[in-house]
Amino acid sequence: AQRVTQPEKLLSVFKGAPVELKCNYSYSGSPELFWYVQYSRQRLQLLLRHISRESIKGFTADLNKGETSFHLKKPFAQEEDSAMYYCALRGMDSNYQLIWGAGTKLIIKP
Amino acid sequence: SAVISQKPSRDICQRGTSLTIQCQVDSQVTMMFWYRQQPGQSLTLIATANQGSEATYESGFVIDKFPISRPNLTFSTLTVSNMSPEDSSIYLCSVPAVDTAFFGQGTRLTVV
Repeated sequence: AQRVTQPEKLLSVFKGAPVELKCNYSYSGSPELFWYVQYSRQRLQLLLRHISRESIKGFTADLNKGETSFHLKKPFAQEEDSAMYYCALRGMDSNYQLIWGAGTKLIIKP
Repeated sequence: SAVISQKPSRDICQRGTSLTIQCQVDSQVTMMFWYRQQPGQSLTLIATANQGSEATYESGFVIDKFPISRPNLTFSTLTVSNMSPEDSSIYLCSVPAVDTAFFGQGTRLTVV
């Protein structure tokens, strides 16, 4: 079955602490993995994708095919990182349809 | 990129009535997706709307309940028909792109 799992509904860390939002997936094929973010009162937007291998706003995510994971990491959390984070998967031949995780609410405490 | 204007942003509706949600895109797009996001849950794809053809519905969603129109390449509507409290949710339209997807602001629907 095709599935994206984000085991944590809520993650709360102090400002300056490292952050890791977990994402595991199940997909028979070659997936593209994405992280989307939704800040308060804003629309859902792309944070990063595994193909680009970029660091966006200090966040990175590495696709681990052996562990079927795509965890999102940031070494030093900032208060403005507080948001909902969604991991999503798209198959290479999926007609652009995304499979979504349930989302993790990240709260950065001052 | 694509900018999507979705409205209404929120509504409170009586059970048994219908609500039509509109999405306007600032460029021509072939494909549009409609999602539902129930409280505390992930996004669930309702249907794919292509211009010039009938929408393709996902398992668990039917045209009679969620009729979709796609009259041109920049506009689509989703109607939630004969609403019940279980339809209370956020509804989102989305436009896919090669390397991402763009989203409307969402419509927060409460059925009372």
